[in-house]
Amino acid sequence: DAMVIQNPRYQVTQFGKPVTLSCSQTLNHNVMYWYQQKSSQAPKLLFHYYDKDFNNEADTPDNFQSRRPNTSFCFLDIRSPGLGDAAMYLCATSRDRRPAELFFGSGTQLSVL
Amino acid sequence: GESVGLHLPTLSVQEGDNSIINCAYSNSASDYFIWYKQESGKGPQFIIDIRSNMDKRQGQRVTVLLNKTVKHLSLQIAATQPGDSAVYFCAENRRSGGSNYKLTFGKGTLLTVNP
Repeated sequence: DAMVIQNPRYQVTQFGKPVTLSCSQTLNHNVMYWYQQKSSQAPKLLFHYYDKDFNNEADTPDNFQSRRPNTSFCFLDIRSPGLGDAAMYLCATSRDRRPAELFFGSGTQLSVL
Repeated sequence: GESVGLHLPTLSVQEGDNSIINCAYSNSASDYFIWYKQESGKGPQFIIDIRSNMDKRQGQRVTVLLNKTVKHLSLQIAATQPGDSAVYFCAENRRSGGSNYKLTFGKGTLLTVNP
């Protein structure tokens, strides 16, 4: 089945140690998103790619970076994780720039020790 | 701050009853509104959307109502089942600059279905 796959499901890192989260999609969608979701809160958009065009949200910290080497893959890099970065990170895709139906992966739960 | 919010953080209903989840929004420029369901340990799942020029849309067991006069959105679930237990988010889609659009989620409502 076509889907959005996130790896790993759980990630533990140390304070200040760079970490990369991965997302792949078999839907061939143009747009890929990264959301951060903290406990009992709504998902918050960090940035998105429309094809290779990167769009950063104004309030996304510089500590968060992203790469999209091809249509299928997108990575979230956290350069120096802090305790406040512990959260669920959700990858999503949509066919076009005007999203209604986003297709989400199951997320990566990041813990920072 | 967020422009989409929910009236109640939790809702508990009996199996078989109808559920109504409410949402208020403040941005009149939104193109359309969407409801997502998030089960524990999973990503949000699209339920239904409604364009800003509509006031009602029906799906399978779900109905979304949009009242633009009072900027209110609701999700009605008919004959609620245990599998409907989840957090429900309303979200709005509006232009964020250039040709980009942004989907902003409101705070969730936890729906618990009692057998």
